[in-house]
Amino acid sequence: AQSVTQLDSHVSVSEGTPVLLRCNYSSSYSPSLFWYVQHPNKGLQLLLKYTSAATLVKGINGFEAEFKKSETSFHLTKPSAHMSDAAEYFCVVRSGPSNTGKLIFGQGTTLQVKP
Amino acid sequence: NAGVTQTPKFRVLKTGQSMTLLCAQDMNHEYMYWYRQDPGMGLRLIHYSVGEGTTAKGEVPDGYNVSRLKKQNFLLGLESAAPSQTSVYFCASSLDGTPTYEQYFGPGTRLTVT
Repeated sequence: AQSVTQLDSHVSVSEGTPVLLRCNYSSSYSPSLFWYVQHPNKGLQLLLKYTSAATLVKGINGFEAEFKKSETSFHLTKPSAHMSDAAEYFCVVRSGPSNTGKLIFGQGTTLQVKP
Repeated sequence: NAGVTQTPKFRVLKTGQSMTLLCAQDMNHEYMYWYRQDPGMGLRLIHYSVGEGTTAKGEVPDGYNVSRLKKQNFLLGLESAAPSQTSVYFCASSLDGTPTYEQYFGPGTRLTVT
């Protein structure tokens, strides 16, 4: 079965400092992995996705994530946080190899950015 | 191009009442999904549809029914609301179920059952 664990429920950084949001996954198959962002009172937006191509994936707004099979990790990073990055972030794994599009979400990490 | 829209945005129900949430998309997507979001639990899939006239159960389907009579609409019904169904409900759609195509999410419906 597929699952994801986000290792921090809350991360606080200062504006201009690096961001690291950690995610470990479990999958019986070669996984497809995603990061989604949810700003307050908004729907979810796709930041980036890994689908077995390059292991370093670049997304929108300067975010990137690296797929590490040996560590079963897919951590999200950004070199310099901006106030507008404050939001909830979800690590997501595709549920199995069939093309139903079913996704399994992690519990979420709230990113706080301090001025 | 409005994307994915949800109606209503907020609703308060009494226990035992029924209601229908409407999701509409104008992107000609085949696949549609209903999720619920509860604090500390991420999003969980309730039901989904892989095309007009089809529906399937997700992770937490009990207490909900769905219908996909038109390709652009996906309805989520609560026949007899319970306080445990207090949640934020999100609809999503995608062109198909492969990871090539992302899911686009609506703005959510906040439902409170008293």
